[in-house]
Amino acid sequence: ETGVTQTPRHLVMGMTNKKSLKCEQHLGHNAMYWYKQSAKKPLELMFVYNFKEQTENNSVPSRFSPECPNSSHLFLHLHTLQPEDSALYLCASSQDRTGGTEAFFGQGTRLTVV
Amino acid sequence: GENVEQHPSTLSVQEGDSAVIKCTYSDSASNYFPWYKQELGKRPQLIIDIRSNVGEKKDQRIAVTLNKTAKHFSLHITETQPEDSAVYFCAAPREVTGGGNKLTFGTGTQLKVEL
Repeated sequence: ETGVTQTPRHLVMGMTNKKSLKCEQHLGHNAMYWYKQSAKKPLELMFVYNFKEQTENNSVPSRFSPECPNSSHLFLHLHTLQPEDSALYLCASSQDRTGGTEAFFGQGTRLTVV
Repeated sequence: GENVEQHPSTLSVQEGDSAVIKCTYSDSASNYFPWYKQELGKRPQLIIDIRSNVGEKKDQRIAVTLNKTAKHFSLHITETQPEDSAVYFCAAPREVTGGGNKLTFGTGTQLKVEL
């Protein structure tokens, strides 16, 4: 285990549903990230949080709403999604320092929008 | 922003042969270059990284080389084994105003090691 835990592992939701993805890290890191990984695309950065403050929104549609109540927890609230939003959503954390450091990934949530 | 290109997208080698995956990046300020391995159904995990103050780093059968002038870095796997079969991603970070590193990933290389 890398210390980054995501729940649920699998999620099937309708386009009118509201659901949330949860990520928790026990590594003492100060930065957390949401990535989207679909079948034919690379790892796409969605959001960056540093000390629970959002520092990057990579042009993500408003139907994805992140929340970071503290440095250890990160949520992704989902509402009125589209079938093309079906993908693997990966959470990651890192200890932010100048120059970059290793990102530790959770196991991901496999999301299917029907 | 950072743009990372990775080649090839797929690579098939015979067991025991070497495999090389190449990446180029655009942001000359980047100084940390990790490589991640993602096995089927699993999370990406760091296998090796290099900082810009060195040109090469080795860890058993894997090595990474960096050419800052040309802005490219490569992953080398020698004596490949079936368990090396996976998707490999290169990445380069860009510091985000306010903190955090925006890790920009390459498009991935599907490596298949055949018996």
